[in-house]
Amino acid sequence: GAGVSQSPSNKVTEKGKDVELRCDPISGHTALYWYRQSLGQGLEFLIYFQGNSAPDKSGLPSDRFSAERTGGSVSTLTIQRTQQEDSAVYLCASTTLGDDTEAFFGQGTRLTVV
Amino acid sequence: AQTVTQSQPEMSVQEAETVTLSCTYDTSENNYYLFWYKQPPSRQMILVIRQEAYKQQNATENRFSVNFQKAAKSFSLKISDSQLGDTAMYFCAFVLNAGGTSYGKLTFGQGTILTVHP
Repeated sequence: GAGVSQSPSNKVTEKGKDVELRCDPISGHTALYWYRQSLGQGLEFLIYFQGNSAPDKSGLPSDRFSAERTGGSVSTLTIQRTQQEDSAVYLCASTTLGDDTEAFFGQGTRLTVV
Repeated sequence: AQTVTQSQPEMSVQEAETVTLSCTYDTSENNYYLFWYKQPPSRQMILVIRQEAYKQQNATENRFSVNFQKAAKSFSLKISDSQLGDTAMYFCAFVLNAGGTSYGKLTFGQGTILTVHP
């Protein structure tokens, strides 16, 4: 696609429910990143994919968070048993392996846990 | 580990004037990139300008320029002739040019909200 696409744009869920956030990177971009932006905070790294593998998962805050990437393209971030502190904007970015100087971001998913 | 600090939570400027946003960072590495990203209310992160650490010359992109002081680990953004469309949150970010398992992982500052007044 022309840019990084994320869905849904906004998601309201009840505490304790599971949610799935989707990221469709720019075609041909082999590297994909998930970041979390809490209210008034900067972005914190969650996970990095190179192709379908995730060599760096160090930012996932708990075992309730998981992510996968299939076909070297679309990625899904899953949060199980959501908590109110999970409320944030979840941003996805992609980049080509050969160009490590610019990450292209999606518009994010605003998750609200009530 | 790398850290990035933006000490100005909010800044404001009059249209057509110049404003400077501050950023400092900490790293023991020598080969890295620095960025300024803009995030308008649409949430879309937009790259404003980037600087390679091995380049002494400060990067410039139209009305945007940086003052990169490697020894001081300082990377400020100057916006000249400010426009209403510059109103946004601005993030300073760092990435190591080291490949490996953390390839391309960005470390961000806390952000500065810039408001341009007419």
